[in-house]
Amino acid sequence: GAVVSQHPSWVICKSGTSVKIECRSLDFQATTMFWYRQFPKQSLMLMATSNEGSKATYEQGVEKDKFLINHASLTLSTLTVTSAHPEDSSFYICSASGLSSYNEQFFGPGTRLTVL
Amino acid sequence: GQNIDQPTEMTATEGAIVQINCTYQTSGFNGLFWYQQHAGEAPTFLSYNVLDGLEEKGRFSSFLSRSKGYSYLLLKELQMKDSASYLCAVIDSNYQLIWGAGTKLIIKP
Repeated sequence: GAVVSQHPSWVICKSGTSVKIECRSLDFQATTMFWYRQFPKQSLMLMATSNEGSKATYEQGVEKDKFLINHASLTLSTLTVTSAHPEDSSFYICSASGLSSYNEQFFGPGTRLTVL
Repeated sequence: GQNIDQPTEMTATEGAIVQINCTYQTSGFNGLFWYQQHAGEAPTFLSYNVLDGLEEKGRFSSFLSRSKGYSYLLLKELQMKDSASYLCAVIDSNYQLIWGAGTKLIIKP
């Protein structure tokens, strides 16, 4: 169990467009979902934490109007990068917790975003 | 502030043993994770420690000393596929996961 999927796996878009990334927990109900960003050769950077049915909590320095997060159900969260620019090109990874008592995070495979 | 320290990079030989250390200073402690991350992929769970001592799981073992704010990941019988980054992460008193920068492990034949 504990499978998390992300879609799409990779996306290339033009500057100024918006991109939506989906994160799904396939075989468990995720009470909390996390969105991370990772630039090449750097560690994970937490962008925001979201609980089902409530607004996401953004980390300092992350623009909530640019990175829209929706957690509409216990199995789905979406991240929309609005008006994407080349500097937003990165590896976006979601994770979900809620299966184990110690809040282990199960990671999706990641989405590689390239903004031209 | 909260801080997790791990070496940036380590090199080891195939078949050998390597120990990756992690020290932490966090506001409270509710457990420590080790994750493995291959280049271009998402992290995968390796181990979880919340009590002092050694947890063994096949070729991988993880040790925790809460009084010293210290953990290590021990990898035995190294294989080329173990080349990856190893991330240490601590759950603080607010149940937030604080991530280390990761240790890049290079395995040489």
